[in-house]
Amino acid sequence: EDKVVQSPLSLVVHEGDTVTLNCSYEVTNFRSLLWYKQEKKAPTFLFMLTSSGIEKKSGRLSSILDKKELFSILNITATQTGDSAIYLCAVAILTGSTLGRLYFGRGTQLTVWP
Amino acid sequence: NAGVTQTPKFQVLKTGQSMTLQCAQDMNHNSMYWYRQDPGMGLRLIYYSASEGTTDKGEVPNGYNVSRLNKREFSLRLESAAPSQTSVYFCASIRQVLSNQPQHFGDGTRLSIL
Repeated sequence: EDKVVQSPLSLVVHEGDTVTLNCSYEVTNFRSLLWYKQEKKAPTFLFMLTSSGIEKKSGRLSSILDKKELFSILNITATQTGDSAIYLCAVAILTGSTLGRLYFGRGTQLTVWP
Repeated sequence: NAGVTQTPKFQVLKTGQSMTLQCAQDMNHNSMYWYRQDPGMGLRLIYYSASEGTTDKGEVPNGYNVSRLNKREFSLRLESAAPSQTSVYFCASIRQVLSNQPQHFGDGTRLSIL
């Protein structure tokens, strides 16, 4: 069963819209939650969240974690065509051998039309 | 530019052929990972190497082997390729799993098996 669930799987909006992407997780030994943006090639890092209620912000993107309800959201305001990408959510766990494995969700495909 | 380099970028194989995917990082990272990404499936961990000289299985190791040649290089081998192994393969690295830093990804190898 999926440990990390993202929704929606696909989203189409127009430039200027605001979007909210969701990520819920169910893991033991939670360490951190990460958001990545993937365009044509390598996933590129956006945010790492470890504490509940503290918003991380970078330009028009922001993210927050709720460790009690086990979810995170990624907000993008005033979307641009360059925001079109797959947004991946991943959870890092701290196993008994501290290997820091990442579990990824299936991603949200965001398409922004001009 | 510093980062994670994967070769080749594209490859087509026939069923039953063997192949090695190469990955090298020049960031002096200790831990390295191999993932595969299939449409709508997110990234799934194949094998990882927490440090030079160690390797361990991830979620989907069947049909693959790995070698951590030295600190910089981590290769993935398909001994007898199968169509189910058609995928995009990503290599990633991180300095230390306890450093709470994000994994850095290569640009991927797109592999098709006929």
